[in-house]
Amino acid sequence: DGGITQSPKYLFRKEGQNVTLSCEQNLNHDAMYWYRQDPGQGLRLIYYSQIVNDFQKGDIAEGYSVSREKKESFPLTVTSAQKNPTAFYLCASLLAGDTGELFFGEGSRLTVL
Amino acid sequence: GQNIDQPTEMTATEGAIVQINCTYQTSGFNGLFWYQQHAGEAPTFLSYNVLDGLEEKGRFSSFLSRSKGYSYLLLKELQMKDSASYLCAVRRNYGQNFVFGPGTRLSVLP
Repeated sequence: DGGITQSPKYLFRKEGQNVTLSCEQNLNHDAMYWYRQDPGQGLRLIYYSQIVNDFQKGDIAEGYSVSREKKESFPLTVTSAQKNPTAFYLCASLLAGDTGELFFGEGSRLTVL
Repeated sequence: GQNIDQPTEMTATEGAIVQINCTYQTSGFNGLFWYQQHAGEAPTFLSYNVLDGLEEKGRFSSFLSRSKGYSYLLLKELQMKDSASYLCAVRRNYGQNFVFGPGTRLSVLP
């Protein structure tokens, strides 16, 4: 079945360590996105990519990095520079067509101890 | 800047009708989306408006007024499984990226 797979679902890390969250899609979508969700604040855009080997910063890119070497994959690295990394991270891709709604993965919950 | 407002929480009774409002001020507009999100899960798409008016999909309807920067999601014949957060999102007309509101947590009581 087609979909977006995020891994790991839960991740615990010590402060100061870099962490990479995986996002893979087999929907043949061109655009992919990373959002962060904190309680009471909705989803905030970290990075997005509309095409392979190209990506743009979103509203809260500081302390994060991404790559887009393959159409199917858009990994997010949470670096030690991110001051408050504990959050729920959601990857999404864009469905082509008239409505163009986002299709989400199941999310990765990162807790930094 | 980008600003989307929704009520934080709402409560309604099973079988009733509830309206969740969303107001927005964004740099660019290319559609307004409503998503449902159950706790700890990914958001799922509910509806989409790009022109003014009402869009109906079964028990769910969504309304848009672009001149007022206003939308609402109407849920009819509420069921317990409708207890979730409802996210309003605007697609900006550049980069195809989206800005989300804080979400409205709806509790449906028996």
